[in-house]
Amino acid sequence: EVQLVESGGGLVKPGGSLRLSCAASGFTFSSYSMNWVRQAPGKGLEWVSSISSSSSYIYYADSVKGRFTISRDNAKNSLYLQMNSLRAEDTAVYYCARDSDYGDYLVHWGQGTLVTVSS
Amino acid sequence: SSELTQDPAVSVALGQTVRITCQGDSLRSYYASWYQQKPGQAPVLVIYGKNNRPSGIPDRFSGSSSGNTASLTITGAQAEDEADYYCNSRDSSGNPWVFGGGTKLTVL
Repeated sequence: EVQLVESGGGLVKPGGSLRLSCAASGFTFSSYSMNWVRQAPGKGLEWVSSISSSSSYIYYADSVKGRFTISRDNAKNSLYLQMNSLRAEDTAVYYCARDSDYGDYLVHWGQGTLVTVSS
Repeated sequence: SSELTQDPAVSVALGQTVRITCQGDSLRSYYASWYQQKPGQAPVLVIYGKNNRPSGIPDRFSGSSSGNTASLTITGAQAEDEADYYCNSRDSSGNPWVFGGGTKLTVL
């Protein structure tokens, strides 16, 4: 059974940093592109960042470019999101999600971790 | 980046049929996928590709597409179908993914 378990969320002050992790199991992690998607309270889903299976291709939404860094450790079956210079508008539940076999949809999602940016 | 547009809210009488639509230029090149999200829960994939359902998704859920519009149809809506529904596709303008703003479905 595929499992994606996010961790690392919490309360942080504006300008602060936080590192999210996503532990993957139940599939060959190193074969799939992975993604971070967030959802602000009461709002819709927003794609944040994606990383290819070997980390060769990395993408960011304009809203986080230059502040967030996505990475992965295939030996540890883990996905990460380093978030710096956090703003109030980064407050959201952050989900990790796995690409499908052919990369045409997001087939598996974690339960999410809440990041709150507030003074 | 591209945009996908959804109606913010739709309602349907119990047992009736409802269609939720999603419009965007990327849908001319890519199929939409659809996700159901209930309060406090993660999104769940309900439709992908031309019209495919993951295992465990009832066959009252179906998908279709024409031009720049994708549709999710629930035939015989049940109370448990009340949820937010999001469309999603590959982004034809550079970013990997784009999401619609979501449609809140109310079953009356």
